[in-house]
Amino acid sequence: TQLLEQSPQFLSIQEGENLTVYCNSSSVFSSLQWYRQEPGEGPVLLVTVVTGGEVKKLKRLTFQFGDARKDSSLHITAAQPGDTGLYLCAGDLRDDKIIFGKGTRLHILP
Amino acid sequence: NAGVTQTPKFRILKIGQSMTLQCAQDMNHNYMYWYRQDPGMGLKLIYYSVGAGITDKGEVPNGYNVSRSTTEDFPLRLELAAPSQTSVYFCASSYRWEVNYGYTFGSGTRLTVV
Repeated sequence: TQLLEQSPQFLSIQEGENLTVYCNSSSVFSSLQWYRQEPGEGPVLLVTVVTGGEVKKLKRLTFQFGDARKDSSLHITAAQPGDTGLYLCAGDLRDDKIIFGKGTRLHILP
Repeated sequence: NAGVTQTPKFRILKIGQSMTLQCAQDMNHNYMYWYRQDPGMGLKLIYYSVGAGITDKGEVPNGYNVSRSTTEDFPLRLELAAPSQTSVYFCASSYRWEVNYGYTFGSGTRLTVV
């Protein structure tokens, strides 16, 4: 059973555009993380959100944790080619199980 | 600071062969994990360890074995390789089990079983 749904699966946009990707579940998470993975490399942690409604910013990236702690979004402003990669969300369930979504593959066209 | 080091980077195995994927971390993390990543399928947990001498099964442990004799090393053993084990394998470590402590991943081992 896929407990963490990420959407869209693929996204290709022009440099300078804005975008939002989503991570949704019917389960409540004690915390949630976002990773970026580039080809041939392991995932690299971008951010952890812990509190319902929490918003964190990392330069042009804005992460939000849903009020009910069941979902999260990642918004990128003025996308750059360097933002290209696979974006993974990972959630920590209250029973100490950690699950990863399948990811959103983002491609920014110069 | 090397972080998490995985070797080899690539490997081709014949069906029925065995091999060990090596993983070492130099951050004194007590928790270590092995994941496999198949195209479009996300990361699946194979085995994990909460400290030297302690290991436990994850979501997809069949066909694999692990050991943790030191804090630094967490090798993954494949016995009798099968085509279904063709995948990219990632080792990760963290200070604690919970996601909010952050995982550090290695750069992966791409394994092909033919």
